Amino acid sequence: DAGVIQSPRHEVTEMGQEVTLRCKPISGHDYLFWYRQTMMRGLELLIYFNNNVPIDDSGMPEDRFSAKMPNASFSTLKIQPSEPRDSAVYFCASSPPVGLAGGSEQYFGPGTRLTVT
Amino acid sequence: AQKITQTQPGMFVQEKEAVTLDCTYDTSDQSYGLFWYKQPSSGEMIFLIYQGSYDEQNATEGRYSLNFQKARKSANLVISASQLGDSAMYFCATNNFNKFYFGSGTKLNVKP
Repeated sequence: DAGVIQSPRHEVTEMGQEVTLRCKPISGHDYLFWYRQTMMRGLELLIYFNNNVPIDDSGMPEDRFSAKMPNASFSTLKIQPSEPRDSAVYFCASSPPVGLAGGSEQYFGPGTRLTVT
Repeated sequence: AQKITQTQPGMFVQEKEAVTLDCTYDTSDQSYGLFWYKQPSSGEMIFLIYQGSYDEQNATEGRYSLNFQKARKSANLVISASQLGDSAMYFCATNNFNKFYFGSGTKLNVKP
């Protein structure tokens, strides 16, 4: 399996521009997660989906952020308009269905390093 | 909600020695999992080891073992025979079903 695929790997954009990050989860995984990692705040869960349905978006910082999962093999995280404080590494992760007690491990993509100038 | 505490922001260990990275958690759930991830300087997050709350035996994966003390709510990672390639950030995590909560991480430096 190719693992979780994210694109682009690096994105540099100007403040005010729209940014779209993409993720392809591992086939057969029915959970998908979006995280943001910064030095100041560590690893933050933004939103997660189960079977393409958003379950918890309480970590989405504000209305400028939106996420979709139109099918089992694709998800996007969009920031519109982007701001310099959005600069971070954004990870997508997927996991198989909850199995044994405590759930299943998550498999992370390589991340997208976003820089907003 | 769950909470993970990693009290060691940075640690050093001599190559070939063992090292323990501390992790405590706070949860009221009866069923939960404990996970450790490694993040090298290249940035990817690598899953290392998993322990279920009902598992009576400590989990082991090669040179990694998880010292699970349920009553103390601790899930320390033990790396035996440290290698230079073990230098990285290490994150402890717990979950409520599939929603994960991560600690702030411990930066491990292995000295030659």
